[in-house]
This record gives sequence, structure tokens and C-alpha cells, in this order.
Amino acid sequence: KQEVTQIPAALSVPEGENLVLNCSFTDSAIYNLQWFRQDPGKGLTSLLLIQSSQREQTSGRLNASLDKSSGRSTLYIAASQPGDSATYLCALFPPSNTGKLIFGQGTTLQVKP
Amino acid sequence: GAGVSQSPSNKVTEKGKDVELRCDPISGHTALYWYRQSLGQGLEFLIYFQGNSAPDKSGLPSDRFSAERTGGSVSTLTIQRTQQEDSAVYLCASSSQSGGPSYGYTFGSGTRLTVV
Repeated sequence: KQEVTQIPAALSVPEGENLVLNCSFTDSAIYNLQWFRQDPGKGLTSLLLIQSSQREQTSGRLNASLDKSSGRSTLYIAASQPGDSATYLCALFPPSNTGKLIFGQGTTLQVKP
Repeated sequence: GAGVSQSPSNKVTEKGKDVELRCDPISGHTALYWYRQSLGQGLEFLIYFQGNSAPDKSGLPSDRFSAERTGGSVSTLTIQRTQQEDSAVYLCASSSQSGGPSYGYTFGSGTRLTVV
């Protein structure tokens, strides 16, 4: 059974710091992986989608990497800002093509001014 | 529409009442999903619609929960005889291709359900 773990569960950093959020999974047979952001009391906003054949994706200050063989993905946030404060979720698409996303528990990030 | 729209955004109901939650997916998206997020918990899969195929209901927690998707577009999630443990944020997502693996998912803002 595929399990997704995100470490740390919570992170607090000063503004301007570069940081890395981790996502690990137990089964390397994934279709692709998507990182989301969730603000308190809100829905999910898609940040980056990495296809299984890709190693990384970049959008602005965000860079997500994928290493299927080691069962890991990282989300790198450069020059963090208070507006980056949110919960970050990684989700996997299993190869069964049912499309059911398997989510991690999320990392709650606080960027202090 | 431009995004996935869910209504209502907030719903407070008395225990034992029935509630209906609505999801309008992005026009043309064939796949539609419902997830539930309880306080402090991860996202829990509820149900999946793909085109005209029979829905995957494997995530529905009890027979009090049901969902339908009319005309391959709008979906309604119905919870009968609500219980306090049903309190959660109910999220809907849609995708432009079967299973969505190549395109990812777009989520709505969710409906926050509170059962008092």
C-alpha cells in the first residue's frame, strides 16, 4: 500500500530564508506527483505537477524535484516571504489510473517577517 | 467556468438533517472527485466520476453518503442524517483527462460543513 509522508509537519523560518519541504513515498511506481498549497480555511491551489518522466519543475521561486527510485520529492522555496505561510501538500497519482490522489499529511509553514 | 466552483462555501446544520453540497467542475473536464478533510487530518478520498462510467464509490464512509453527477457536469454530494463526525471541509476536484495523471487536478475552494 502506497504511503506518503511529509516531514517536517511544521516549520517556522525567518523571512528571506531558503527552505526545503520533503515528501517521501513507499512505492516508486507512481504516475506523477503534484504539490499543492492550502491556506487556512481554504481549498487547494496547485503549485507544480511533475510527470513521472521528469526530474523537476520550476515556477517562480518554487522548484520541485522528483526521484522515484529513492521515493522522494522535495519542494524548494527560495527567498521565503510571509505570504508563503500555508500548508503544503504533496500528492501522488498511482499507476492504476483510477486517478485517486494519495496525499501526505502536509507541512505547515510559517514565515516570520 | 474558469475554475471549480463549490457551493455553499459554508454550511451549518443541525445533527440529523440532510445536506447537499454542490460542485461545478471546469467545463469539459471529464473526471470529478470528492475529497473530505477533517480538522487536523489529511485528505480522504470519497468518490470519483469519470465520464459515463459507473462511479467509484469506494471511499464513501457510510450509506448516509451519496453523490451524483448530472449530464457529466455538475455533481451533488448528499449527506443524510448528518452526524457531528461529518463536520469537515468537503473538496471537489476535476481533471481534463481520464484519471488526470497527465494534467493534474484543479480543486475548488471547498464547502466547510459544521454539524451542531
